Amino acid sequence: DAKTTQPPSMDCAEGRAANLPCNHSTISGNEYVYWYRQIHSQGPQYIIHGLKNNETNEMASLIITEDRKSSTLILPHATLRDTAVYYCIVSYNNNDMRFGAGTRLTVKP
Amino acid sequence: SQTIHQWPATLVQPVGSPLSLECTVEGTSNPNLYWYRQAAGRGLQLLFYSVGIGQISSEVPQNLSASRPQDRQFILSSKKLLLSDSGFYLCAWSGGLDTGELFFGEGSRLTVL
Repeated sequence: DAKTTQPPSMDCAEGRAANLPCNHSTISGNEYVYWYRQIHSQGPQYIIHGLKNNETNEMASLIITEDRKSSTLILPHATLRDTAVYYCIVSYNNNDMRFGAGTRLTVKP
Repeated sequence: SQTIHQWPATLVQPVGSPLSLECTVEGTSNPNLYWYRQAAGRGLQLLFYSVGIGQISSEVPQNLSASRPQDRQFILSSKKLLLSDSGFYLCAWSGGLDTGELFFGEGSRLTVL
């Protein structure tokens, strides 16, 4: 079973920031927070991951709360191509990646 | 650069027939390899992973088996398919346990009738 809780769906206006929340209240000290996304009928695509500190790359930013019980993925300027299912995963290594139902993000023009 | 390929892309099989899905990785050595399954409208379920040739770990008991005959080849098999085996099967690789990133193939859509 997935160790995370995400809203089933969200909408975002094109060009605005998309903020996708994730709760992981039972996270252990050595577990990372990973984010992937899956566009329909394709394999998931890695976005970003972090342990304690906030992280940023060319795709997104990851904000992890100080108690590490929740996090937010931020897509700073959402485009129509960002419409996808976004998965938040908590894992201590790659062999324990458990994908839940995710959040279906719809970016609208 | 590294690439991952899996085939066939689409498969329609009768109940009770055998199955073989193949996945190969190029451009890297000794990858960790994974098989996931995604039922319609649901998340991904980890089926098998392998950290080396001949080393297979199974996550859930099921009608499927996996083999890794070569370093960069991962095969998912079944002797007799069930209706519940229908789904979208995804192969993935990673460079190690802690790299933080799985690279997924294009997927194989299996329909069992």
